[in-house]
Amino acid sequence: GAGVSQSPSNKVTEKGKDVELRCDPISGHTALYWYRQSLGQGLEFLIYFQGNSAPDKSGLPSDRFSAERTGGSVSTLTIQRTQQEDSAVYLCASSRTGPSHEQYFGPGTRLTVT
Amino acid sequence: LAKTTQPISMDSYEGQEVNITCSHNNIATNDYITWYQQFPSQGPRFIIQGYKTKVTNEVASLFIPADRKSSTLSLPRVSLSDTAVYYCLVVLNSGNTPLVFGKGTRLSVIA
Repeated sequence: GAGVSQSPSNKVTEKGKDVELRCDPISGHTALYWYRQSLGQGLEFLIYFQGNSAPDKSGLPSDRFSAERTGGSVSTLTIQRTQQEDSAVYLCASSRTGPSHEQYFGPGTRLTVT
Repeated sequence: LAKTTQPISMDSYEGQEVNITCSHNNIATNDYITWYQQFPSQGPRFIIQGYKTKVTNEVASLFIPADRKSSTLSLPRVSLSDTAVYYCLVVLNSGNTPLVFGKGTRLSVIA
């Protein structure tokens, strides 16, 4: 079956511009997560959705970051007024409802802010 | 969340067994030990998960001693394609929760 997909795969933007990153989770997965990975680092949690609601937004680094999820499926991560320190790979993952710890990750979006 | 400590890097020759040990001294009763693998330019991939003693699947084995303060991921007869970063995580058994990744162990397999 289809895995988690993300678009675009690469995004280069100028400092100060807004960007939108998209995630299509595995069909039927109710939980969706966004992580960020800087070069050579581990993953940093950003936000978690259960259905369309986000019970945990604790990882969002600033109010320039926001995310939404509609129809319990597609999610969009928006970064406003991008800064160079926002450059990273943004990874999305999804998992089934219930006590499952297996998260399925997408290939990520590499964001470069110039 | 329990903090994990694992070696930054390891080298191995092809065909050898590789054991990566992770310490998690503050693991709680309801925590599970989970390992993920990440290849360059890809998202992490779940390898194995366990609570105690030993778990084995087609990819790896996971050994967990009785006190659960550490665990060892064992990769039998590694090949060049096993070169990746391996992350040890402690996950609360309460359903869907965000994962807390450290920097992982960078395994390099040499021919």
